[in-house]
Amino acid sequence: DVKVTQSSRYLVKRTGEKVFLECVQDMDHENMFWYRQDPGLGLRLIYFSYDVKMKEKGDIPEGYSVSREKKERFSLILESASTNQTSMYLCASSSFRGFGGYTFGSGTRLTVV
Amino acid sequence: DAKTTQPNSMESNEEEPVHLPCNHSTISGTDYIHWYRQLPSQGPEYVIHGLTSNVNNRMASLAIAEDRKSSTLILHRATLRDAAVYYCILRSNTGKLIFGQGTTLQVKP
Repeated sequence: DVKVTQSSRYLVKRTGEKVFLECVQDMDHENMFWYRQDPGLGLRLIYFSYDVKMKEKGDIPEGYSVSREKKERFSLILESASTNQTSMYLCASSSFRGFGGYTFGSGTRLTVV
Repeated sequence: DAKTTQPNSMESNEEEPVHLPCNHSTISGTDYIHWYRQLPSQGPEYVIHGLTSNVNNRMASLAIAEDRKSSTLILHRATLRDAAVYYCILRSNTGKLIFGQGTTLQVKP
């Protein structure tokens, strides 16, 4: 069964900490995405990547960075976590080929205190 | 990126068909129409997608208007497990999916 795996289901971090959210996919997909989901605001795109070492800003990139050193792994980095980054973070992947649908991970609920 | 418009919520009775509408009047010729659903405490799940022709799979059917400015997701027999938020999204050549607020489907026993 194809999968997108996010390293943590729940995470609690302190304000000012550097936070790494990891995402791994086993489908050899070219595209990977990071979203955050907040009540009343829906899913918003933070960053995405079309290939290794490539990255593009989404709609809300401020306060975040990403890393894609290997095709299967896409990391979201909060350089200095703030309380307004408390959210559900969702990773997804898709292929240029084939059916083109996205496969999502189960999400990481991050709380910044 | 073109946007979609969906009703905020809908209700259905169990074992009855459900038709979830979506308007996308600014769709371009190369945009694919995607549907996803999100169950509580889970990531979104792919349901179906299409370009011009109606599509069927084991989960649902997708009916696309001839002018492609609207589409309808059809669940043939709703079950309690179909209660979720359903998102209609246009996927462009950029590959990005931009989510709207979706339709919250409530299924009554």
